[in-house]
Amino acid sequence: GKNIDQPTEMTATEGAIVQINCTYQTSGFNGLFWYQQHAGEAPTFLSYNVLDGLEEKGRFSSFLSRSKGYSYLLLKELQMKDSASYLCAVYNDYKLSFGAGTTVTVRA
Amino acid sequence: DGGITQSPKYLFRKEGQNVTLSCEQNLNHDAMYWYRQDPGQGLRLIYYSQIVNDFQKGDIAEGYSVSREKKESFPLTVTSAQKNPTAFYLCASSINPDTPGYTFGSGTRLTVV
Repeated sequence: GKNIDQPTEMTATEGAIVQINCTYQTSGFNGLFWYQQHAGEAPTFLSYNVLDGLEEKGRFSSFLSRSKGYSYLLLKELQMKDSASYLCAVYNDYKLSFGAGTTVTVRA
Repeated sequence: DGGITQSPKYLFRKEGQNVTLSCEQNLNHDAMYWYRQDPGQGLRLIYYSQIVNDFQKGDIAEGYSVSREKKESFPLTVTSAQKNPTAFYLCASSINPDTPGYTFGSGTRLTVV
């Protein structure tokens, strides 16, 4: 079975930092993805972690702890265009399983 | 340019009618996937195919059918047996089942009236 949990909503101010947590309990694990999705559009790839530790890519960073079943996505220097849904997804058994997504609202 | 194309972007159907959603890719990817997304929810896997002429049920396959007769194409039929078909449908592909990382299509929003 699989259980992937992330907060439903988060609000932050432009220029600030937001951390989106994701916990997972899955029967297997071959990597964790983060996607960004704007309303009515397809998800776009943000990051992929397969080993423990922090992956940094510009304003976005993602962290993974496999022993704790935990990941977070860190968004720095928030911009209005970062208002979107952020999806945590676990890769296992040749396919991705998604959490429900976290809607981030950036306010001026 | 290589990519994955879903058509149409918006689709309206009457209750009780079957409808087929198109998904075509020219990326030479072996694996293809269909997901459904409802408001405020994540993506749920309907069907997936790791290779031509083979496909497996996902978590919510009831009321849906697929075919994979060509590598490039993975159409999804929403049948009248699907009790709540109104949703956003996303198709994705990956190079092969062993290589994580999807390319997504732009989605089809199906509304049943």
